[in-house]
Amino acid sequence: DSGVTQTPKHLITATGQRVTLRCSPRSGDLSVYWYQQSLDQGLQFLIQYYNGEERAKGNILERFSAQQFPDLHSELNLSSLELGDSALYFCASSVSRGSGRGNTEAFFGQGTRLTVV
Amino acid sequence: GESVGLHLPTLSVQEGDNSIINCAYSNSASDYFIWYKQESGKGPQFIIDIRSNMDKRQGQRVTVLLNKTVKHLSLQIAATQPGDSAVYFCAETQAQGAQKLVFGQGTRLTINP
Repeated sequence: DSGVTQTPKHLITATGQRVTLRCSPRSGDLSVYWYQQSLDQGLQFLIQYYNGEERAKGNILERFSAQQFPDLHSELNLSSLELGDSALYFCASSVSRGSGRGNTEAFFGQGTRLTVV
Repeated sequence: GESVGLHLPTLSVQEGDNSIINCAYSNSASDYFIWYKQESGKGPQFIIDIRSNMDKRQGQRVTVLLNKTVKHLSLQIAATQPGDSAVYFCAETQAQGAQKLVFGQGTRLTINP
């Protein structure tokens, strides 16, 4: 158990709909990262938050957004869903934000499998 | 742009043999590298990491080698076991900046009994 909790584990929804994925980081971790993994693909970085603020953005679609709350949990919002959005969405957390010091290891949750039909 | 790629998408080895998984990266500014193992239906799990001021690091049955000259990273798994069957990803990041991890495509390792 990595200590990172993601809910729900599975989600099936129709095209055009909107869903929210939730992530609770490990206790004490300030950074949260979201990754998308399509079938037989690598992990594509979407976005990172550090202590409530957006820190880095990757290849995240405009239909997607995220936020990190004061209690450090994060939510990834996916809207106007398309069939191609079907994927595993992983959240990871780490202590450091990139100062070059401290732990840079990221711990991953079990993921949310999103199926758009 | 940044990219981390793997030479082979699949690798099969006999149980008990050693395996080597390779990775090439293109961002010379990367100075921290991690190998992750992902079993079916699970999230990536940290295996071992190495910083750019090192060229070799050993763990339990695993060794990571870093060749900065040719931007190459490898993961050696000794005496493979059935539980080593998984997809292995290398990832790179930088100590300065956002610490986002850039992942390669992954290599599926299969251990044959």
